[in-house]
Amino acid sequence: DTAVSQTPKYLVTQMGNDKSIKCEQNLGHDTMYWYKQDSKKFLKIMFSYNNKELIINETVPNRFSPKSPDKAHLNLHINSLELGDSAVYFCASSEGGATRTQYFGPGTRLLVL
Amino acid sequence: GDSVTQMEGPVTLSEEAFLTINCTYTATGYPSLFWYVQYPGEGLQLLLKATKADDKGSNKGFEATYRKETTSFHLEKGSVQVSDSAVYFCALYQTGANNLFFGTGTRLTVIP
Repeated sequence: DTAVSQTPKYLVTQMGNDKSIKCEQNLGHDTMYWYKQDSKKFLKIMFSYNNKELIINETVPNRFSPKSPDKAHLNLHINSLELGDSAVYFCASSEGGATRTQYFGPGTRLLVL
Repeated sequence: GDSVTQMEGPVTLSEEAFLTINCTYTATGYPSLFWYVQYPGEGLQLLLKATKADDKGSNKGFEATYRKETTSFHLEKGSVQVSDSAVYFCALYQTGANNLFFGTGTRLTVIP
């Protein structure tokens, strides 16, 4: 069984479009995260949710909006896509906060043309 | 603020060579320290961790010791294999924070 899954795995789109990435975890974890990994593999936290409530919102453009319909899901919606948004986006989850092991999804490779 | 500094890559080794990837951190108090590994085309997965000074984390032949006096958590393996080729991330969790702080990653390539 997949622990943390993301869809789609690849996403190619034009500048200015709006797109969503979905994440689901079946581990029963309380906390979920979105990370952005750039072409140099640098990994940066974007958002963190605990029990459906936002607890971290790093400095990201407000074109990015996370939505957590329930504890098992954390989706990422991106408006007005820009070239600089091209990256790999990882969802992760952990039990009880960041000191516990974080389980990562396989990533969504976004390319904005 | 809290931060993690890893040695620059890429690192290329022959099979069965000894591996060290340096990691130092800056933090107040007693953070928990982690090594994550990212295999090609996959997400990150926890390799090992240590939650207090002098603890040694180990897994799959890899080891790292939490050294508070040198604020370091260097990753070592005595004999690397081709299958160890991946990107390795050092990370820190500080009490009261809600997230891990990751280093920039070190790419390891092991050649037969």
